[in-house]
Amino acid sequence: AQKVTQAQTEISVVEKEDVTLDCVYETRDTTYYLFWYKQPPSGELVFLIRRNSFDEQNEISGRYSWNFQKSTSSFNFTITASQVVDSAVYFCALSGLKAAGNKLTFGGGTRVLVKP
Amino acid sequence: SQTIHQWPATLVQPVGSPLSLECTVEGTSNPNLYWYRQAAGRGLQLLFYSVGIGQISSEVPQNLSASRPQDRQFILSSKKLLLSDSGFYLCAWSVPAGKPGANVLTFGAGSRLTVL
Repeated sequence: AQKVTQAQTEISVVEKEDVTLDCVYETRDTTYYLFWYKQPPSGELVFLIRRNSFDEQNEISGRYSWNFQKSTSSFNFTITASQVVDSAVYFCALSGLKAAGNKLTFGGGTRVLVKP
Repeated sequence: SQTIHQWPATLVQPVGSPLSLECTVEGTSNPNLYWYRQAAGRGLQLLFYSVGIGQISSEVPQNLSASRPQDRQFILSSKKLLLSDSGFYLCAWSVPAGKPGANVLTFGAGSRLTVL
């Protein structure tokens, strides 16, 4: 069975601070995808990144960066110089490469509140 | 480009009444389709997924059912709603397994259901 754990339920920061969201996963699959999604107050989930388990290189996209550590089964997400618009719930997710129906297993989410 | 539509956006229903939430996808063919539920303050739970017309896989036994009468239409139903059915329902689609971009889910705007 697959499991994704986001231990932080809520993080509150002041604008321009950095914030790191933790994600730990469990899977028996040897190949899999990891994801991060953003859910702003409007409710719609927005895709941020997909990472293949073969690729452990860290990735940076603007103020967003991701740290994939296969040895510790973690896929952490950092927002640098946070802005009020970053306030949202962020979900980490996992899918086996050959999962039936491409199903995603989501973590419980971390609510990020960025105060001006 | 592909778009996903989901309606109604909000719904207030009495206990014991029927439910029908509809989701349609445009700009693609033979998508995988999904229904997720998000209870208040919690993560996303996969309810149903479909890899083709008339093919429905249920992830969680419950008071709900799903149907796929057309390639790009996915319907979530209930004959008699329970209080516990309240939540935020999200439809999503992805390209079929083996295609570029598989496993990346694109979500609709969601339907907020309140059962009184």
